[in-house]
Amino acid sequence: DTAVSQTPKYLVTQMGNDKSIKCEQNLGHDTMYWYKQDSKKFLKIMFSYNNKELIINETVPNRFSPKSPDKAHLNLHINSLELGDSAVYFCASSQQYSGNTIYFGEGSWLTVV
Amino acid sequence: GESVGLHLPTLSVQEGDNSIINCAYSNSASDYFIWYKQESGKGPQFIIDIRSNMDKRQGQRVTVLLNKTVKHLSLQIAATQPGDSAVYFCAENSGSSNTGKLIFGQGTTLQVKP
Repeated sequence: DTAVSQTPKYLVTQMGNDKSIKCEQNLGHDTMYWYKQDSKKFLKIMFSYNNKELIINETVPNRFSPKSPDKAHLNLHINSLELGDSAVYFCASSQQYSGNTIYFGEGSWLTVV
Repeated sequence: GESVGLHLPTLSVQEGDNSIINCAYSNSASDYFIWYKQESGKGPQFIIDIRSNMDKRQGQRVTVLLNKTVKHLSLQIAATQPGDSAVYFCAENSGSSNTGKLIFGQGTTLQVKP
């Protein structure tokens, strides 16, 4: 009965590969997000979608492409992985996109070697 | 520019004592603030929030204080327990942009000594 679930939890891959992280929320929320947490624990927003529409794109390289097939899912696809992409990626959701609590998933640990 | 900062990277307290974690923010347009707790290997977990029309809000064992004059936010944890050990983040919304974007501080690690 996990509210925001993302898979895989751990991913180790080689430079240049393409990988995807999937996210689903069962909270009935309208808005979903992807955040990146670096090795110093700094959390920064990457994208947000509201009802499948892109709201925020925080100057993320276009190797990162989010896809929202419906408002309960927001997947993150990463092309041509680089060493600097190694981080923890958190999916999150909220009821509306302003002034409401954002609920996070458990994270996906991506290591690029 | 946008930034949220915490005054101390690590706070060590004795079990049973009260903890106070501080945060400074820079965007005076922000109107919503949240504290999150992140345990090792897990995602940030909501603790408590406060809107800019309030200066204090209480939850179970936690209190958030907001001082808009000096742009300061604090989280008080009463009777700190070992299970409170975690990294604590304050976050502010970018109120002017109305997009739901949260800007996080760097985090304070709370260590509870038995």
